[in-house]
Amino acid sequence: DVKVTQSSRYLVKRTGEKVFLECVQDMDHENMFWYRQDPGLGLRLIYFSYDVKMKEKGDIPEGYSVSREKKERFSLILESASTNQTSMYLCASTRRQGWFMSLGDEQYFGPGTRLTVT
Amino acid sequence: AQSVTQLGSHVSVSEGALVLLRCNYSSSVPPYLFWYVQYPNQGLQLLLKYTTGATLVKGINGFEAEFKKSETSFHLTKPSAHMSDAAEYFCAVSPISGNTPLVFGKGTRLSVIA
Repeated sequence: DVKVTQSSRYLVKRTGEKVFLECVQDMDHENMFWYRQDPGLGLRLIYFSYDVKMKEKGDIPEGYSVSREKKERFSLILESASTNQTSMYLCASTRRQGWFMSLGDEQYFGPGTRLTVT
Repeated sequence: AQSVTQLGSHVSVSEGALVLLRCNYSSSVPPYLFWYVQYPNQGLQLLLKYTTGATLVKGINGFEAEFKKSETSFHLTKPSAHMSDAAEYFCAVSPISGNTPLVFGKGTRLSVIA
């Protein structure tokens, strides 16, 4: 059974703290993604990575950074958490076919981390 | 740039009634299309997808969707709603070339009334 796991289901942090959200996949996928999900706004792409040590900005990268040191692991970092980063964070992965993206392939999602910044 | 519009942020149906969730896309060429479902406190899982071939696509849990190029639509249907269908549903689009990740709609929350 394929799996994407996220380190925490619920997380409460204080404003200004550095926050790490971890995502691990066991499918040997090349591409990994971080989204945030907010009511009425759907899923918005923060960052994605198509290979180890590679990263690309998504639609809303401000206030976030990422790290991909190993193929199976993709970390999202909030350098200095703020209350407007309170959200549900979803990690996903998909395989690469050809040059970059398996465009017709399913993205597999983790269960999400609900982050509250107080 | 591609975009997806889901009509209705919340749809409510009676148990046993038809489910219809609407999705329209904007693209210069027909893209790949997906429907995902998110049950409470879970991640998203794929319901069905259209890539090529037959325009009527069948998915899991009795759902199906029809790709209509002339209407740029990919509406999701199920003949008879079940209580367990209550969830949030997302339509997504991917180009057939290039290196752009999926673009998601804003989601439609489906409520099923007993």
